[in-house]
Amino acid sequence: EDQVTQSPEALRLQEGESSSLNCSYTVSGLRGLFWYRQDPGKGPEFLFTLYSAGEEKEKERLKATLTKKESFLHITAPKPEDSATYLCAVQAPTDSWGKLQFGAGTQVVVTP
Amino acid sequence: GAVVSQHPSRVICKSGTSVKIECRSLDFQATTMFWYRQFPKQSLMLMATSNEGSKATYEQGVEKDKFLINHASLTLSTLTVTSAHPEDSSFYICSARDSLTGGRDGYTFGSGTRLTVV
Repeated sequence: EDQVTQSPEALRLQEGESSSLNCSYTVSGLRGLFWYRQDPGKGPEFLFTLYSAGEEKEKERLKATLTKKESFLHITAPKPEDSATYLCAVQAPTDSWGKLQFGAGTQVVVTP
Repeated sequence: GAVVSQHPSRVICKSGTSVKIECRSLDFQATTMFWYRQFPKQSLMLMATSNEGSKATYEQGVEKDKFLINHASLTLSTLTVTSAHPEDSSFYICSARDSLTGGRDGYTFGSGTRLTVV
């Protein structure tokens, strides 16, 4: 069975303290891995899609990387506005409708 | 960028009544939309996949007679919670996949609907 596991569950950072979030998955033949940011009471906001091992993408203070078994979301010199829950999701090739399976998320709090 | 409008953002209804939630893609066509449910401090649980012009595909354990989905056009899908009960109270979120890109640029989510059944 396909599984997506995110760690840690929660992360508290000081402003400027870089860290990484992990998303490990067990999917045969990954079609795509997605990272989203979700603020309380809002829908997820798209950050990145990664398709193949070795791929990296960056956006401001965020950088996502992908290996054959996991993905990392690196937050460099975070600011309080980076506080949010970060979700990763995978898409398996067996699903013709393109369903995404989400991990439980990592709640990040950045304090000034 | 792609925008998905979801309405209402909050709704309170009495037990036994029905509630309709709309999900509309504003600047792109979406032959496929997805409906999720999210409990506090938990991740998104896929309820069903909505396909324009055909019946929705429901995930295991989701009652299709309770959660009616209609995807009548390329830009609109609706979720109706029928005969709502307090246990249906939750945060409902839709997402849409751009028909042109196939979701390669990411699936766009609505802002969610907080349903409270009293």
